[in-house]
Amino acid sequence: DGGITQSPKYLFRKEGQNVTLSCEQNLNHDAMYWYRQDPGQGLRLIYYSQIVNDFQKGDIAEGYSVSREKKESFPLTVTSAQKNPTAFYLCASSMQSTGGQPQHFGDGTRLSIL
Amino acid sequence: GENVEQHPSTLSVQEGDSAVIKCTYSDSASNYFPWYKQELGKGPQLIIDIRSNVGEKKDQRIAVTLNKTAKHFSLHITETQPEDSAVYFCAAIFTGTASKLTFGTGTRLQVTL
Repeated sequence: DGGITQSPKYLFRKEGQNVTLSCEQNLNHDAMYWYRQDPGQGLRLIYYSQIVNDFQKGDIAEGYSVSREKKESFPLTVTSAQKNPTAFYLCASSMQSTGGQPQHFGDGTRLSIL
Repeated sequence: GENVEQHPSTLSVQEGDSAVIKCTYSDSASNYFPWYKQELGKGPQLIIDIRSNVGEKKDQRIAVTLNKTAKHFSLHITETQPEDSAVYFCAAIFTGTASKLTFGTGTRLQVTL
């Protein structure tokens, strides 16, 4: 089945540690996105990528980094600079990067602080 | 700045009744408005979307209406069922932001028996 796979489902981070969240899609989509979801809030965009080897900051990029070396993969690193990393992280992808295309989401990674 | 407001934040209806969720947006040039359903512990699932050249779209028990003049759009669910219970998000794409969606804060719908 085509879709988006996020791993792990649950992740724990120690103080001062960087952690990387995986996102893989087999939908042949050009664009990929990372969102953060906090209780009672909508999804907020962290980073997005419209094409391989290119990505842009979203609304809350501080403390995060990404790479896009392959079309199907868009890993997110939560660095130690992100002081409040506890949240539900969602990855999405879409066919094109302009004109309003449906975004398809994975089932998320829940990150907590130890 | 770019903003999407969503109301109500919680909604409880009896099975078989209708549910309506409303959103307003700030950029009059926005042209794409999707609705997502999110179940507990899952990612959001697209349930219906509408483009600015259309005033209404239906898919079985779900419909979306768009009023460009008033800059608001609404989700209508008829004959609600317990499996409709979830959190629903509206979103909009604003001009100049390519494919960046701005989301509303969500509506928790509870369908009671």
